[in-house]
Amino acid sequence: DGGITQSPKYLFRKEGQNVTLSCEQNLNHDAMYWYRQDPGQGLRLIYYSQIVNDFQKGDIAEGYSVSREKKESFPLTVTSAQKNPTAFYLCASSIWASRPGDYTFGSGTRLTVV
Amino acid sequence: ELKVEQNPLFLSMQEGKNYTIYCNYSTTSDRLYWYRQDPGKSLESLFVLLSNGAVKQEGRLMASLDTKARLSTLHITAAVHDLSATYFCAVDRAYGGATNKLIFGTGTLLAVQP
Repeated sequence: DGGITQSPKYLFRKEGQNVTLSCEQNLNHDAMYWYRQDPGQGLRLIYYSQIVNDFQKGDIAEGYSVSREKKESFPLTVTSAQKNPTAFYLCASSIWASRPGDYTFGSGTRLTVV
Repeated sequence: ELKVEQNPLFLSMQEGKNYTIYCNYSTTSDRLYWYRQDPGKSLESLFVLLSNGAVKQEGRLMASLDTKARLSTLHITAAVHDLSATYFCAVDRAYGGATNKLIFGTGTLLAVQP
């Protein structure tokens, strides 16, 4: 079955450490997105990518980095510059960036700073 | 800047009662999405509304879209406990080009009491 796989489900980061969250999709979707969700709040866009080797900043990109070397993969790195990274991170994809349509979401990664 | 506002933020209702969640957005968009999120889980797509006057129903939930008023409603009929969750509306936004991005409201936490 097609879908989006995020890993790990839970991740613990020490102060000053970079960590990478994985997002893989086998839906042949062009566009991929990363959202952050804080407790009791909505989702905020971190980064998005329309095509391979291209990505753009969303509303809260500071302290994060991404890459899009393959169509199927869109990993998110939370760098030490992100001062408050504890949150729930959701990856999503859509079939064609410029068309309205369904967005498919992964199951999420819960990141905690220890 | 596109903003999406939901109200109420929290709704406690009794089983069997009816209620409506409201979603207002600030700029023109013809595409509105409703999602459900259970605690600690990802997003489940409920409705995609693609045109003015669109109405969709699934079980005890009915969603409508008025693009002129920039308003969508999610109506709950005869609530049951299983509907307890957080409900998000989201609107597509073009992000410096043809790419559409989902911008989320803050969510409505629905608690249905016996």
